[in-house]
Amino acid sequence: EVQLVESGGGLVQPGGSLKLSCAVSGFSFRDSSFHWVRQASGKGLEWVGRIRSKAKSYATEYAASVKGRFTVSRDDSKNTAYLQMTSLKTEDTALYYCTGLSTPWGQGTLVTVAS
Amino acid sequence: DIVMTQTPLSLSVTPGQPASISCKSSQSLLHSDGKTYLYWYLQKPGQSPQLLIYEVSNRFSGVPDRISGSGSGTDFTLTISRVEAEDVGLYYCMQSIQPPLTFGGGTKVEIK
Repeated sequence: EVQLVESGGGLVQPGGSLKLSCAVSGFSFRDSSFHWVRQASGKGLEWVGRIRSKAKSYATEYAASVKGRFTVSRDDSKNTAYLQMTSLKTEDTALYYCTGLSTPWGQGTLVTVAS
Repeated sequence: DIVMTQTPLSLSVTPGQPASISCKSSQSLLHSDGKTYLYWYLQKPGQSPQLLIYEVSNRFSGVPDRISGSGSGTDFTLTISRVEAEDVGLYYCMQSIQPPLTFGGGTKVEIK
């Protein structure tokens, strides 16, 4: 069974940092791209960024709203993807999901940026 | 950025009746590899989004065959041939042909 489990969310002050993790099982992790998608309360889905596989040179792309502040990475030996978030803003408050697009989604991890 | 436009915003459907949702993209989603990168997701109340359809018309594992996807280029449709109570939720289309990946605004389906 394919499972993605996000963790690492929490309450952080504006300007702060947080690192999210996405542990993947039951799926060919190293051959796949992984994406982070967020959803503010009562709002739609917003793509945050992705990291491609080793075969695609671990290329990363980001939404304009997070470029320069967020970094997607991965550790193929641990079947885990990460989202490092810095210079957090109140508008980054959302439920953050990871997904392989053609995989189930995780349950999400809540990030709240507030003073 | 590719803009994804979904219609209608909401649908109220009698159980057993059909329903369809339209999704239009501002650019063709047909890749040079021959695939068209259009996905459909359903987010049931209080749950994470779940994949229904990938690459326009391929049903994900476990998705009932009364749910189908069609279309090409820039025009796509999700069809539910006979709506059931479990189909309630928000439906999103999404393109992944080029970053930034973009979602439609969502269509809320409810039961009459």
